[in-house]
Amino acid sequence: KQEVTQIPAALSVPEGENLVLNCSFTDSAIYNLQWFRQDPGKGLTSLLLIQSSQREQTSGRLNASLDKSSGRSTLYIAASQPGDSATYLCAALSSNSGGSNYKLTFGKGTLLTVNP
Amino acid sequence: NAGVTQTPKFRILKIGQSMTLQCTQDMNHNYMYWYRQDPGMGLKLIYYSVGAGITDKGEVPNGYNVSRSTTEDFPLRLELAAPSQTSVYFCASNIHGELNEKLFFGSGTQLSVL
Repeated sequence: KQEVTQIPAALSVPEGENLVLNCSFTDSAIYNLQWFRQDPGKGLTSLLLIQSSQREQTSGRLNASLDKSSGRSTLYIAASQPGDSATYLCAALSSNSGGSNYKLTFGKGTLLTVNP
Repeated sequence: NAGVTQTPKFRILKIGQSMTLQCTQDMNHNYMYWYRQDPGMGLKLIYYSVGAGITDKGEVPNGYNVSRSTTEDFPLRLELAAPSQTSVYFCASNIHGELNEKLFFGSGTQLSVL
């Protein structure tokens, strides 16, 4: 059974700092790893999706890396801004037993606060 | 382009009442999903659909029912509401459910069962 863990549960940093959010998964046989952003009272917005054959994906100040062998992914945020304050969730896509269905397993998220 | 739209945004139910959470998408996506998010927990899949007329159970289907009569709509039905169903419910969709497609979410329905 796939389990996804995100550490830390909460992080507070001053504006301008570079930061790393961590995501680990127990079953390395994943198809992709997706990072989401969730603002209070809102739905999830997909930020980056890394395919199993890829090592990283970049979008603006965001860079996500994937190391399948060690069961880890990181989300790097450069030059953080107060507008980056949100909860960040990662989710791993893997197959159910028998490979007939796919399952997206979510972590519990990291609550990021960027202080002006 | 509205994306995924959920109604209502908030609802309070009494134990034993029933209700339908509405979800519609205008992106012509085949795959649609219902998740619930409990405080401090990750999202759990309730039901999903791979196309009109086809639905299947997810991880936590008990107490819920779904239907998919059109590509656009995927309502979630609670027949006998219980306090354990207090949660935030999210509807999501993607084009073909293919392995490397991003998932699009609605803004959620916050449900309290008292």
